[in-house]
Amino acid sequence: DAKTTQPTSMDCAEGRAANLPCNHSTISGNEYVYWYRQIHSQGPQYIIHGLKNNETNEMASLIITEDRKSSTLILPHATLRDTAVYYCIVRSLRDDKIIFGKGTRLHILP
Amino acid sequence: DAGVIQSPRHEVTEMGQEVTLRCKPISGHNSLFWYRQTMMRGLELLIYFNNNVPIDDSGMPEDRFSAKMPNASFSTLKIQPSEPRDSAVYFCASSFYGGGNEQFFGPGTRLTVL
Repeated sequence: DAKTTQPTSMDCAEGRAANLPCNHSTISGNEYVYWYRQIHSQGPQYIIHGLKNNETNEMASLIITEDRKSSTLILPHATLRDTAVYYCIVRSLRDDKIIFGKGTRLHILP
Repeated sequence: DAGVIQSPRHEVTEMGQEVTLRCKPISGHNSLFWYRQTMMRGLELLIYFNNNVPIDDSGMPEDRFSAKMPNASFSTLKIQPSEPRDSAVYFCASSFYGGGNEQFFGPGTRLTVL
């Protein structure tokens, strides 16, 4: 079973920041937070991951609360191509497997 | 880089027929994963291999499903006999061996069993 809880769907206006929340209240000390996304008719794509510090890459930023029970993925300037299902995943470095939940369906509105 | 290659991209078959899905992982990757995605059940892990050895096949739904990885550059997922409830998109992914590594997914094979 997935260890995360995400809203089923969200809308965001094109050009604005998209903030996708994720709850992972049972996360263990050695577990990281990963984000993947799946654009329609494609395979999932890795976005970013983090342990406790905030992380940023060319795709997104990941903000993890101090107690690590929740996090937010931020797409700073959303475009129509960011319309996708976004999966928040909790996973330790010992886990080969990824357990996908239902994710958040993000609609970017023109 | 070619990425993960899957074939065929689409497969339509009749109930009872054998179906073979193929996957070529990214060169140098030594872990390979097979997933199945349906509207009802979402994205499920079926089986994965490390260094060509099956590690966890607990997600394989029934004995009708089998997977092999004869070498580091090729894997197959076979369904025999196929049933309409096997209709789904099947994804193959690969990564470097070791927990937590990024998985790279192929484009998927859309299987329809009539």
